[in-house]
Amino acid sequence: DADVTQTPRNRITKTGKRIMLECSQTKGHDRMYWYRQDPGLGLRLIYYSFDVKDINKGEISDGYSVSRQAQAKFSLSLESAIPNQTALYFCATSDRTPTDTQYFGPGTRLTVL
Amino acid sequence: AQSVTQPDIHITVSEGASLELRCNYSYGATPYLFWYVQSPGQGLQLLLKYFSGDTLVQGIKGFEAEFKRSQSSFNLRKPSVHWSDAAEYFCAVNSGGSNYKLTFGKGTLLTVNP
Repeated sequence: DADVTQTPRNRITKTGKRIMLECSQTKGHDRMYWYRQDPGLGLRLIYYSFDVKDINKGEISDGYSVSRQAQAKFSLSLESAIPNQTALYFCATSDRTPTDTQYFGPGTRLTVL
Repeated sequence: AQSVTQPDIHITVSEGASLELRCNYSYGATPYLFWYVQSPGQGLQLLLKYFSGDTLVQGIKGFEAEFKRSQSSFNLRKPSVHWSDAAEYFCAVNSGGSNYKLTFGKGTLLTVNP
């Protein structure tokens, strides 16, 4: 079984709709992250959480919110989706080792019409 | 601020040929460096990482990378490419410690010709 899972894997929605992307992990890591990937732009950090009570904005948090329901669960919400939020979204987790290596989920492809 | 540059957006090689993907970073101290691979429709998989010690790092799938401090580079190499290596490759840098920030390059797309 995958260590980091994301649901749904694909989602098509309409402008103005609220949508939630979910991430679960079985790696036992404290740190979790949400990124978005756009062609030619690499990965950009949306939000990150170092533990259940610690949530921080990344470089592109506008239009997004997150919830850390438990150590293993970190969800990303788009309160009112807009077309330029069409992208591939990745959840990642990391350990507390010196390298803080991040491990990624399979991604959610979101299309906002 | 740390940054990563992957100069080549797209590289095409023939199957069986050698491969080198370039990565240059900008960071004041010794960084932690990573290479990830993203196959079509897949998430990012860690290929290898460098944080200290031997500057030549071995990874999965026959890949290796060499850290060169004098050139601020961490190039990825493979002696003989297989068709299944076709994917997008991302270099990333983390300054370590309590710093969360993993900064990615924009990626290099590898096409493998038969």
